[in-house]
Amino acid sequence: DGGITQSPKYLFRKEGQNVTLSCEQNLNHDAMYWYRQDPGQGLRLIYYSQIVNDFQKGDIAEGYSVSREKKESFPLTVTSAQKNPTAFYLCASSIWGERGRYNEQFFGPGTRLTVL
Amino acid sequence: KQEVTQIPAALSVPEGENLVLNCSFTDSAIYNLQWFRQDPGKGLTSLLLIQSSQREQTSGRLNASLDKSSGRSTLYIAASQPGDSATYLCAVALNSNYQLIWGAGTKLIIKP
Repeated sequence: DGGITQSPKYLFRKEGQNVTLSCEQNLNHDAMYWYRQDPGQGLRLIYYSQIVNDFQKGDIAEGYSVSREKKESFPLTVTSAQKNPTAFYLCASSIWGERGRYNEQFFGPGTRLTVL
Repeated sequence: KQEVTQIPAALSVPEGENLVLNCSFTDSAIYNLQWFRQDPGKGLTSLLLIQSSQREQTSGRLNASLDKSSGRSTLYIAASQPGDSATYLCAVALNSNYQLIWGAGTKLIIKP
């Protein structure tokens, strides 16, 4: 089955710890995205990547880091610098065509991160 | 700065009714608009995507319309069913960088 997988489904972090959320896709999509979702708010973009070895900050990148070493994978690290990391994290991917043509985004099942 | 608003935040209707969900945006210079469905604790499922040059899109019992000049989109659900209960989110893609700007969603409950 083609799709996007995220792991783990639930993650607990202690104060001062870095944690890494996994996102893998087998849709052969060029672009991948990380969003944060908080209750009663719209999704907010953390980072996105259009091609391998390149990524850009979104609206709320502080306290987060990413890498894009493979087309299929876009892991997100939540660092200790992120002061309020408890949230639902969603990964998405899309085709990124010629001249930046946008296509619809497809989402993974999400990871719920809780700080203890 | 583009802002997306969805009103109401929650809606409860009896099964079988036709209903309309609303999405408004402040800047009409959009690339496209998408409607998504999210079940509790789950990821998002894309329902409909309307390009800026289009007026509406249909999929089964769902119909989405787009009026750029007034900054509005509606999602029409015909003959609602309990399985339609979910949160519905809309997002607009900016012309400048195709980044999605999201509404906070409408939580829909269909009562059997």
